Amino acid sequence: ETGVTQSPTHLIKTRGQQVTLRCSSQSGHNTVSWYQQALGQGPQFIFQYYREEENGRGNFPPRFSGLQFPNYSSELNVNALELDDSALYLCASSFSPSTEAFFGQGTRLTVV
Amino acid sequence: GEDVEQSLFLSVREGDSSVINCTYTDSSSTYLYWYKQEPGAGLQLLTYIFSNMDMKQDQRLTVLLNKKDKHLSLRIADTQTGDSAIYFCAQNNNDMRFGAGTRLTVKP
Repeated sequence: ETGVTQSPTHLIKTRGQQVTLRCSSQSGHNTVSWYQQALGQGPQFIFQYYREEENGRGNFPPRFSGLQFPNYSSELNVNALELDDSALYLCASSFSPSTEAFFGQGTRLTVV
Repeated sequence: GEDVEQSLFLSVREGDSSVINCTYTDSSSTYLYWYKQEPGAGLQLLTYIFSNMDMKQDQRLTVLLNKKDKHLSLRIADTQTGDSAIYFCAQNNNDMRFGAGTRLTVKP
């Protein structure tokens, strides 16, 4: 059984660019959630996907968007990058929306 | 105010017990969780407690839940240097809400 994997592990982008982060969920999990963790803070919920549909969204602007695919893997897209988007982006998968979530190692995004 | 609050720092000596405390706001949370994060890494699920329980023990870890006061604690017995990390408390009602994390430092 494979765990949650994220790619890439590190990324540097320029302000105004767009970025796509990827996540493969743990085998048997149909729910994927994305979190942003700024330095020295706890993770902040961006959104959740359940069976390919968005199932909740945190307080993030529309330039943060996502997808979930039939195999339950997921993408996080961020348009018009800002310096404050620099953070560790964490993906978590779970068996269902309300059960324990298992996290990937994260993608460290730096916007310059 | 914040949904989940934790003290930011805790320092203990190796072999002592550590107690990390957390308060939360959403009394309808079905589960409450403790995660561990080591430097540069993702979050590792340590343990969780169902909201109708008041205690759960798992090897060196003991979770206590006081629903009346919305207070959750994690006790680590016989704390080791490898336990040094940031510990996050989280409540889950479809979206998981985390505290800011408690940085545990274990001194030899």
